[in-house]
Amino acid sequence: QKEVEQNSGPLSVPEGAIASLNCTYSDRGSQSFFWYRQYSGKSPELIMSIYSNGDKEDGRFTAQLNKASQYVSLLIRDSQPSDSATYLCAVMTSGTYKYIFGTGTRLKVLA
Amino acid sequence: DGGITQSPKYLFRKEGQNVTLSCEQNLNHDAMYWYRQDPGQGLRLIYYSQIVNDFQKGDIAEGYSVSREKKESFPLTVTSAQKNPTAFYLCASSTRDSEAFFGQGTRLTVV
Repeated sequence: QKEVEQNSGPLSVPEGAIASLNCTYSDRGSQSFFWYRQYSGKSPELIMSIYSNGDKEDGRFTAQLNKASQYVSLLIRDSQPSDSATYLCAVMTSGTYKYIFGTGTRLKVLA
Repeated sequence: DGGITQSPKYLFRKEGQNVTLSCEQNLNHDAMYWYRQDPGQGLRLIYYSQIVNDFQKGDIAEGYSVSREKKESFPLTVTSAQKNPTAFYLCASSTRDSEAFFGQGTRLTVV
């Protein structure tokens, strides 16, 4: 079974701090990686996609990918209370066009 | 506006009844997906379709059925064989190997 694993949290950070969310995956052939944010009772919304090793920045968000270590992370700078949500890591498995989701990490930003 | 529309938002099913959840997209996406989310859990794949008139089972297809007669539409039927159908159902669509976008979800409750 191809898996995506995340720490369920909650991860608590003070307002203005950097939140670091981590995700590991088992399928070494995976090519596409995504971070989604999900507020309670709502559907997931895309934050970032990343396809190659290294960092990708978009505003306060930075996604980091290390395929050799099968590891993808999301950094949120200057965290705000409105960032409090569950963050889902998703991986597209090689050759199948299926998205496999982790169980999510719950982030709490404390004002 | 382009997007994915799920209906209804809330659905109540009696024991032994089949119900159908609607999912329509106008994004011209080839691939469509159905996920189930239980409280505090991640997304589990029920069925997915990469092209019209073709679909594949996901990890938890038992008790569910789908059709893909049109590119825009991917309805999900929850049959009476699904013994524990109460959950949040999410439909998504994507172009191949890029990010998936989600509808607003249908919350199904057995009464």
